[in-house]
This record gives sequence, structure tokens and C-alpha cells, in this order.
Amino acid sequence: DVKVTQSSRYLVKRTGEKVFLECVQDMDHENMFWYRQDPGLGLRLIYFSYDVKMKEKGDIPEGYSVSREKKERFSLILESASTNQTSMYLCASSYRAGVGTQYFGPGTRLLVL
Amino acid sequence: DQQVKQNSPSLSVQEGRISILNCDYTNSMFDYFLWYKKYPAEGPTFLISISSIKDKNEDGRFTVFLNKSAKHLSLHIVPSQPGDSAVYFCAAIMKTSYDKVIFGPGTSLSVIP
Repeated sequence: DVKVTQSSRYLVKRTGEKVFLECVQDMDHENMFWYRQDPGLGLRLIYFSYDVKMKEKGDIPEGYSVSREKKERFSLILESASTNQTSMYLCASSYRAGVGTQYFGPGTRLLVL
Repeated sequence: DQQVKQNSPSLSVQEGRISILNCDYTNSMFDYFLWYKKYPAEGPTFLISISSIKDKNEDGRFTVFLNKSAKHLSLHIVPSQPGDSAVYFCAAIMKTSYDKVIFGPGTSLSVIP
């Protein structure tokens, strides 16, 4: 069974803080993704990575950065958290050759005050 | 501008009846479509998919229909069960970018016992 884990289920941070969200997958997947989910907007892609140290911007990368130093781990960084980054953050992974079947973690609900 | 649309934010259906969830897309370059299901406090899970060369795919109680000329797909659940109550996301992939999945905003299905 594929397992994607996220470091926190709930986080409360203050405006201006640096925030790290960690994601780990155990299936040796090449691809990893970070999404945010907001009501009425569905899942929007922030960044993805198809290999170690590789990253690609998604649809809404502003205010975020990512790090992938090891194949199994993909980190999302909010350099200076703002209230409009309050959201549900979902990490996913997939095989490089796979056709879109992504495996998701349980999500991190982030509240920025 | 959303390329994948789910115009019904919510749907209620009696247990045992058919649930029909609809999805429209705007980009004719999409050639693979997926449905994901999401329970509260969990990440989305893959449900069923269809290639653009087909017009129907069936998996147990779940059937997805694709009408390419109308750029429309639908997910049918027969019979609906209370455990089907969840948010359903329609998603699409382009042939040129198999790794990147475009998600719709989701439809919340409630199956009433």
C-alpha cells in the first residue's frame, strides 16, 4: 500500500513566520506534488517535482518555495506566512510513467493569524 | 479561468438511487480524465478514469461516461450508498503533460439513508 504522510495535520502560525510543511512517501515515486484546497476552487497545484533537486512551478507558486533533497521527501516552505495562505495543503506522489494516478497524504490544515 | 468545471457544488440523493455527478472541460487537448473521492480529514483517493478514446468505463457501482464533442463527462453511482457521501473531484490530463493533473472544484455528494 502506498503511504504518503504529512508532518502535521493542523498548524497555527502568525503572519510573517516561516512555515515548513513536510511530506514523505514510501513507494519510490519519482513525482511529488503540493496542492492547496480551497472551497469552490478545488485543488490548485503550487509546485511539483519529478526528481531529486528538480522542481517546477505549478499554477500558484507565489509566496511558496519547495525543497527536494531526497527522493522520498518533498517540503513546502512559506517564506513569510500571510493570512491568505490559510488553507488545506495536500501532498501527493505518483510514478513518472503513470497517467495521473496520484496518491495523496491526509492534508495539513494551516491557519495563519 | 477554470479548465475543468463542476457546476454543482453539492448534490443530495436517496440511498439506493442513482447519483450523477457532472463535469465539463474547456481544453480539447485533454485526453485522460479521472475522478477522485475525498472524505473529510483525508486526502483524495483515485476512483475511476477514462481515456479519450473511450466513451464509457465501468468499475462495479461506478461508471464514467465521456462525451468528447460536448466536452462533458459524468460519473454515475448505482446504487448510491451512505458511504459514498464525500466530495468528488473531476480531473483532466493533457497528452503533453502526463504528470500535471488539472482538478475541478469538486461536488459534495450526500447520500441520505
